[in-house]
Amino acid sequence: KQEVTQIPAALSVPEGENLVLNCSFTDSAIYNLQWFRQDPGKGLTSLLLIQSSQREQTSGRLNASLDKSSGRSTLYIAASQPGDSATYLCAVGDTGRRALTFGSGTRLQVQP
Amino acid sequence: DAGVIQSPRHEVTEMGQEVTLRCKPISGHDYLFWYRQTMMRGLELLIYFNNNVPIDDSGMPEDRFSAKMPNASFSTLKIQPSEPRDSAVYFCASSEAGDYGYTFGSGTRLTVV
Repeated sequence: KQEVTQIPAALSVPEGENLVLNCSFTDSAIYNLQWFRQDPGKGLTSLLLIQSSQREQTSGRLNASLDKSSGRSTLYIAASQPGDSATYLCAVGDTGRRALTFGSGTRLQVQP
Repeated sequence: DAGVIQSPRHEVTEMGQEVTLRCKPISGHDYLFWYRQTMMRGLELLIYFNNNVPIDDSGMPEDRFSAKMPNASFSTLKIQPSEPRDSAVYFCASSEAGDYGYTFGSGTRLTVV
């Protein structure tokens, strides 16, 4: 059974810092990996999707990488802003199964 | 496009009562998912449908939970009888067959007292 772990559980940084969020998964037979953002009391917003054949995806100040062999992904946020404050969730799509397995998230606070 | 629409946004009910959560997926999406989010267990898949047919219901906690998708534009998740441990935020999400991106609804916060 796939297990997804995210480290750290919480992170507080001053505005302007570059930061890295980590995600690891136990079964490397994945089809894709996705990063989501969740604001308090809200639903999930998709940020980046990486197919298993890809190594990274970029969107604006966000860059996500995937290393299937080691079972790891990172989400890099450049020049963080207070508006980036949210919980970031990593989710893995396994081969042959359409549903996602989620990590427990990293709660990010960017101080102005 | 209004996105995935869930109702109600909040539900407070007494233990033993029946609860029905509703979801309208994005038009044209072939897949519909029900997830539950709690502080202790995070986001867990309950069940998902493909073209209105249940594909994987292994996450449904017990017989008290049931889900239906009578047509491509509507799904329900029913809990009968409800228990305090069912208190959680229930999310519905939908996805297109050829696109693995997910769109989530805003969720239903269920409190069973």
